[in-house]
Amino acid sequence: QKEVEQNSGPLSVPEGAIASLNCTYSDRGSQSFFWYRQYSGKSPELIMFIYSNGDKEDGRFTAQLNKASQYVSLLIRDSQPSDSATYLCAVNTGFQKLVFGTGTRLLVSP
Amino acid sequence: DAGITQSPRYKITETGRQVTLMCHQTWSHSYMFWYRQDLGHGLRLIYYSAAADITDKGEVPDGYVVSRSKTENFPLTLESATRSQTSVYFCASKPVNTEAFFGQGTRLTVV
Repeated sequence: QKEVEQNSGPLSVPEGAIASLNCTYSDRGSQSFFWYRQYSGKSPELIMFIYSNGDKEDGRFTAQLNKASQYVSLLIRDSQPSDSATYLCAVNTGFQKLVFGTGTRLLVSP
Repeated sequence: DAGITQSPRYKITETGRQVTLMCHQTWSHSYMFWYRQDLGHGLRLIYYSAAADITDKGEVPDGYVVSRSKTENFPLTLESATRSQTSVYFCASKPVNTEAFFGQGTRLTVV
């Protein structure tokens, strides 16, 4: 079992819709969770981080964390074509080891 | 310039040769990481370091060596390059309990 799992996609949504990206992790000692966006040929860049159970909102983005279910999600509201990218879930394990999922490719069609 | 830089950006090397990828950060972050990124595999952790002279293996360490004599530098060496090590390599650094910051990446081709 991989430490962090994501559906590779692609996830296709029309412009203006809500995109929902999901991630599960195996280490119950994990303390912090991150969503990165990566455009083709570029480095990953941070979108959001979340440490506590519940929702955290930042503009069009909402991160959701459920530690009991070991589940993290990212919602993108009013999706734009410029949101088309690969979204990487990352988990900071108990030893500060940062582990990534394989990423979900999001395609937003105009 | 402040930040994290990798060199070289592009490298072509022959099978069996030793090659070193450089990573330098100016923030004095404690933690540094090396990842490789291949299609279908996402970012896979090769090695990471919690401080100078403290390193540990990640998911795919075989064929790689790291060192960290200074906080700001974390070079990655392929002792005898193989074609399977053709990949994009990313270095990252982070303080405790916050996000990681990535370098621009090094595209390595082993022929």
